[in-house]
Amino acid sequence: GAVVSQHPSRVICKSGTSVKIECRSLDFQATTMFWYRQFPKQSLMLMATSNEGSKATYEQGVEKDKFLINHASLTLSTLTVTSAHPEDSSFYICSAPPGQGVYEQFFGPGTRLTVL
Amino acid sequence: QKEVEQDPGPLSVPEGAIVSLNCTYSNSAFQYFMWYRQYSRKGPELLMYTYSSGNKEDGRFTAQVDKSSKYISLFIRDSQPSDSATYLCAMRLNTGFQKLVFGTGTRLLVSP
Repeated sequence: GAVVSQHPSRVICKSGTSVKIECRSLDFQATTMFWYRQFPKQSLMLMATSNEGSKATYEQGVEKDKFLINHASLTLSTLTVTSAHPEDSSFYICSAPPGQGVYEQFFGPGTRLTVL
Repeated sequence: QKEVEQDPGPLSVPEGAIVSLNCTYSNSAFQYFMWYRQYSRKGPELLMYTYSSGNKEDGRFTAQVDKSSKYISLFIRDSQPSDSATYLCAMRLNTGFQKLVFGTGTRLLVSP
């Protein structure tokens, strides 16, 4: 299957700093990528849809100025958590479908963010 | 009411048992139904998918969809300790936009 990577796998930062998480499709092009957040023992919650060459679409309740998404190429989307606070500590996962109309989404391994 | 309901478990079974995992949903417009397996601190991996109603079998796994009852199931035969993971159901509409709606996940523990 197609491979999606994320970097870093784990990051610890101080409150008030910004953290950038990268999501890459390694062997296919992804015009769309999805960013999810998962709290312990909870399901994946879609945060936003990242669209190559255009603005991201955010889900209701997700602050677009806090969670900046950039999809500058067909293989890379980045999520920047700005002015991070302890409540932003979570597991962030990206996914990408390998083509339009394809049912399957390939998930990255996730990034665990801890804000002190 | 959540769009997708799933018992979080944990569900503990002995090795070799048949496991039944289930989800119910409220949106009758969902057309694609998927089961993902997620190991601790890892991203989900797709196990099975079904379009509309019916059954699908792949090795030890069988997925069932009953749209009339808004109920989907995943059966695991001859369960193995390596099957211990969290199983997430997910579903989406039959449109070009591929947003998935996930259940909370059921944690499965298979003891040797």
